[in-house]
Amino acid sequence: DAGVIQSPRHEVTEMGQEVTLRCKPISGHNSLFWYRQTMMRGLELLIYFNNNVPIDDSGMPEDRFSAKMPNASFSTLKIQPSEPRDSAVYFCASSSNSGGYGYTFGSGTRLTVV
Amino acid sequence: AQSVTQLGSHVSVSEGALVLLRCNYSSSVPPYLFWYVQYPNQGLQLLLKYTTGATLVKGINGFEAEFKKSETSFHLTKPSAHMSDAAEYFCAVILNQAGTALIFGKGTTLSVSS
Repeated sequence: DAGVIQSPRHEVTEMGQEVTLRCKPISGHNSLFWYRQTMMRGLELLIYFNNNVPIDDSGMPEDRFSAKMPNASFSTLKIQPSEPRDSAVYFCASSSNSGGYGYTFGSGTRLTVV
Repeated sequence: AQSVTQLGSHVSVSEGALVLLRCNYSSSVPPYLFWYVQYPNQGLQLLLKYTTGATLVKGINGFEAEFKKSETSFHLTKPSAHMSDAAEYFCAVILNQAGTALIFGKGTTLSVSS
């Protein structure tokens, strides 16, 4: 199993540009989560999906952020337009339906907006 | 709603000394509890978890944690620290019910000196 795969690993973009982060969950996992990690705020849950349906997006900071999961093997997190304060490491994680198994995390995407 | 508090953002120990990382939670229903470790520039890796049953749980790399309901605590310990244990450690909680997601503490950075 290749684990949760995120791309790109690093992204540097200019303020105002659109950024798209990608995630491939573990096959058979039906829950997918997007987290953001910063020094100031730690790990914040942005949004999560169950069976490709968004369940809770209350953590999405602004309308500039959007996430989709068109099928069980792919999800995107888009920021448009990007701002310097969006600079962070964005993690994707997946799990089976039972939260008791814990989550498997990807290696993250380090986003820098200049 | 559930929450997690990690006491001490930074803990320093000598190699061979006891490691104790503190975690307290609040939850309206019995939670599932987790400890994750994050090495520099990597994703989060599951160390151990408590769901039901035995309150003392053992994880990878010699770590263990004890669920104490009366104290609402889930402290992480290791009898003898190794240099390779230097990392950031996160305590996390999830409710045992549908429609919830892992909530993380702010993290504790463990430093190990020789």
